[in-house]
Amino acid sequence: AQTIHQWPVAEIKAVGSPLSLGCTIKGKSSPNLYWYWQATGGTLQQLFYSITVGQVESVVQLNLSASRPKDDQFILSTEKLLLSHSGFYLCAWSLGGADTGQLYFGEGSKLTVL
Amino acid sequence: AQSVTQPDARVTVSEGASLQLRCKYSYSGTPYLFWYVQYPRQGLQLLLKYYSGDPVVQGVNGFEAEFIKSNSSFHLRKASVHWSDSAVYFCAVSATGNTGKLIFGLGTTLQVQP
Repeated sequence: AQTIHQWPVAEIKAVGSPLSLGCTIKGKSSPNLYWYWQATGGTLQQLFYSITVGQVESVVQLNLSASRPKDDQFILSTEKLLLSHSGFYLCAWSLGGADTGQLYFGEGSKLTVL
Repeated sequence: AQSVTQPDARVTVSEGASLQLRCKYSYSGTPYLFWYVQYPRQGLQLLLKYYSGDPVVQGVNGFEAEFIKSNSSFHLRKASVHWSDSAVYFCAVSATGNTGKLIFGLGTTLQVQP
């Protein structure tokens, strides 16, 4: 069975500090990977997606970057956090190839920027 | 462009009552439609999905939804709610493609009163 693990579960960071959030998928080779951002009480907005190692597409510019260093790993980062980065970050995967849009989500990482 | 409208930000029902959460979508082609549920401080879990065929689809925990193309709707229903159904419900639409880009509605918070 496939599992998806996100880390850390929660972070409290200062404005201007760096950030790194991680996501690992086990049990599925060559998945499509996604980062979503959810403002408190808000809907989900897709930030990045990746269909293969080393390739990441940006969907929304939020002064964040993403990388896929390994087939099963997706990293979200920034060198300087803004207050507006606060929220809930969700990693997700889907089947590669004939993608029907169904996503499988991780448990999320809650980020509070002060 | 695709979009999803969930007109009810919050719905409150009594335990044992029936439920309908509304969802309307905008998409020029044949959509793939989803309902996801998010429990507090957790990621999203898929309730049900519609790709084609029978317009009434059954999901987990007694949920079902009906795709009505003429009305561009995909309302979620349950005959008898339980207090554990309290959560945020998201309707989402996707087009075919390798990015599996899901467009989410703003979500409906369901509060089930004992």
